Amino acid sequence: DIQMTQSPSSVSASVGDRVTITCRASQGINSWLAWYQQKPGKAPKLLIYAASSLQSGVPSRFSGSGSGTDFTLTISSLQPEDFATYYCQQANSFPYTFGQGTKLEIK
Amino acid sequence: QIQVLQSGTEVKKPGASVKVSCKASGYTFTNFGISWVRQAPGHGLEWMGWINPDNGDTNYAQKIQGRVTMTTDTSTNTGYMELRSLTSDDTAIYYCARAHRNSGSYTWFDPWGQGTLVTVSS
Repeated sequence: DIQMTQSPSSVSASVGDRVTITCRASQGINSWLAWYQQKPGKAPKLLIYAASSLQSGVPSRFSGSGSGTDFTLTISSLQPEDFATYYCQQANSFPYTFGQGTKLEIK
Repeated sequence: QIQVLQSGTEVKKPGASVKVSCKASGYTFTNFGISWVRQAPGHGLEWMGWINPDNGDTNYAQKIQGRVTMTTDTSTNTGYMELRSLTSDDTAIYYCARAHRNSGSYTWFDPWGQGTLVTVSS
């Protein structure tokens, strides 16, 4: 199985900060990567697909980049509603796997 | 609007089976897959598999293959996930999601259902 490793596991930041979360795959996955946001008690929400494509309705302050094994999710200017847990997911090969999550907390 | 609505909380005893439903609306059901993902309490996300409602093709995670069956009913736009021989390790929130097709497979999941808590306890 492809292992997806996110870093950091948690991060504290302030409203208006720029935040970057990294996801590394244990083997190359081309651009078959998605990012999800999950708030407590809620279902995950798709933010980015195909590594860098913004899902419809998602604010443009979210962006994704990378290919192969290294990927990043960047939030350009944190808003209060962005404090949540973020997961990456590879869709290159079965079984699909998720990163362990990055919890974004208010500083 | 596009949404998927899941059935309610389940409590099962070890060794029993559970069947969770997922009713889709707002889109052409057979144009997308249905994927299932679970999340144990306080843990991350685990992909379980997907089904193509158009032809019934499935792809299951090997970890649960043999215990899981995913089906759909195109007359009601509903997907189902049945998990058998339950143990306490199966206690989790189970999510269904609309799955988007790319290059012959289903890849990204959006939107997700609200989740169904399945508790396995004696």
